[in-house]
Amino acid sequence: SQQGEEDPQALSIQEGENATMNCSYKTSINNLQWYRQNSGRGLVHLILIRSNEREKHSGRLRVTLDTSKKSSSLLITASRAADTASYFCATGHNNAGNMLTFGGGTRLMVKP
Amino acid sequence: GAVVSQHPSWVICKSGTSVKIECRSLDFQATTMFWYRQFPKQSLMLMATSNEGSKATYEQGVEKDKFLINHASLTLSTLTVTSAHPEDSSFYICSARPPRGQGRTDTQYFGPGTRLTVL
Repeated sequence: SQQGEEDPQALSIQEGENATMNCSYKTSINNLQWYRQNSGRGLVHLILIRSNEREKHSGRLRVTLDTSKKSSSLLITASRAADTASYFCATGHNNAGNMLTFGGGTRLMVKP
Repeated sequence: GAVVSQHPSWVICKSGTSVKIECRSLDFQATTMFWYRQFPKQSLMLMATSNEGSKATYEQGVEKDKFLINHASLTLSTLTVTSAHPEDSSFYICSARPPRGQGRTDTQYFGPGTRLTVL
């Protein structure tokens, strides 16, 4: 079963707007990672935040982690049409060789 | 950065045939590789964890006789879908994790995926 639940499932915004995606999980984690996937393609690792971190930035990406609420958010600022993709959160665990458990994903469409 | 390749990228086969998918880590050794399956508009589901030189660990509900995994070297893992049926049609993605001391072990590097269509 999937641990991560993401919302919204789909998001449509105009270029230049910010996009926020949320992820919730149920069990304790070692880290939480965000990935991007263009239609029919492989995954691209975006950012990793460890369980003892609260916020992380990478370019136009900002990730927050609230372990008390077991939730994370991914913010993409000043979105571009090229940001159109599916975004997945994945929780990493200490056991089982640091297995990743993926959320359902958010399909983001950025209209030019 | 670490690169993982998969071959083939797309395969179409008749029901009943077996299909082998290769996953290679190109510039690092991967003691652990993971195989995922993704149905259209759905998330990735972990099928199995493959460790070099030992038997793969399958997730609940994944038939080990149906999905044969071989991780014979530190740069190659193969997934063979035996006697494929239309319901096996899916996007199969592998990932590789470098060993300690060769990069971030908490990050998996993903291959581009293999689209399997069984007629």
